[in-house]
Amino acid sequence: GQSLEQPSEVTAVEGAIVQINCTYQTSGFYGLSWYQQHDGGAPTFLSYNALDGLEETGRFSSFLSRSDSYGYLLLQELQMKDSASYFCAALSGGYQKVTFGTGTKLQVIP
Amino acid sequence: GAVVSQHPSRVICKSGTSVKIECRSLDFQATTMFWYRQFPKQSLMLMATSNEGSKATYEQGVEKDKFLINHASLTLSTLTVTSAHPEDSSFYICSAGRGSDTEAFFGQGTRLTVV
Repeated sequence: GQSLEQPSEVTAVEGAIVQINCTYQTSGFYGLSWYQQHDGGAPTFLSYNALDGLEETGRFSSFLSRSDSYGYLLLQELQMKDSASYFCAALSGGYQKVTFGTGTKLQVIP
Repeated sequence: GAVVSQHPSRVICKSGTSVKIECRSLDFQATTMFWYRQFPKQSLMLMATSNEGSKATYEQGVEKDKFLINHASLTLSTLTVTSAHPEDSSFYICSAGRGSDTEAFFGQGTRLTVV
């Protein structure tokens, strides 16, 4: 089966940097995505890594190591609005089939 | 572009009734759509893969007779929760892929409450 594990909660200070880790066990793995979800809302796509290494998109960066079945999302210059749940998600099986990780609730404090 | 619209956003129904949720890709054709369910403070769990013109593929543990999926056109998939019970109360959300995009596009989600 597919499984993606994340820490359940992380708290960080406004302006700081936080890293959210994801370890996965999947079959037919194409790549790792990251999504943000505010309470009651739909997931919003943040980034996608198909290859090993770091992808940077503004304040957000994502890293993938296929050999370690590991990835992380790095959020810099944290803002209060970044308080949300973050999910890693494995893309597999074609046609954008997404299996979500357990999710990390990020709380940004002043 | 790549907008997915889901309707209704909220629905309250009585136990034993059926509820239909629609998922539309507004500006692209989606041969495959996906239906997820999310309980409070939990992750999104894939329920089924909806294939245009053919039967849906259900994940293990999802009752196909309870969660009826119809993908009658390239822009519309529907999920019908039949004989709903309070334990079916959840956030249901659909997604669709566009071509070879690696991004899945999500609908707004439907909050179902069964009373």
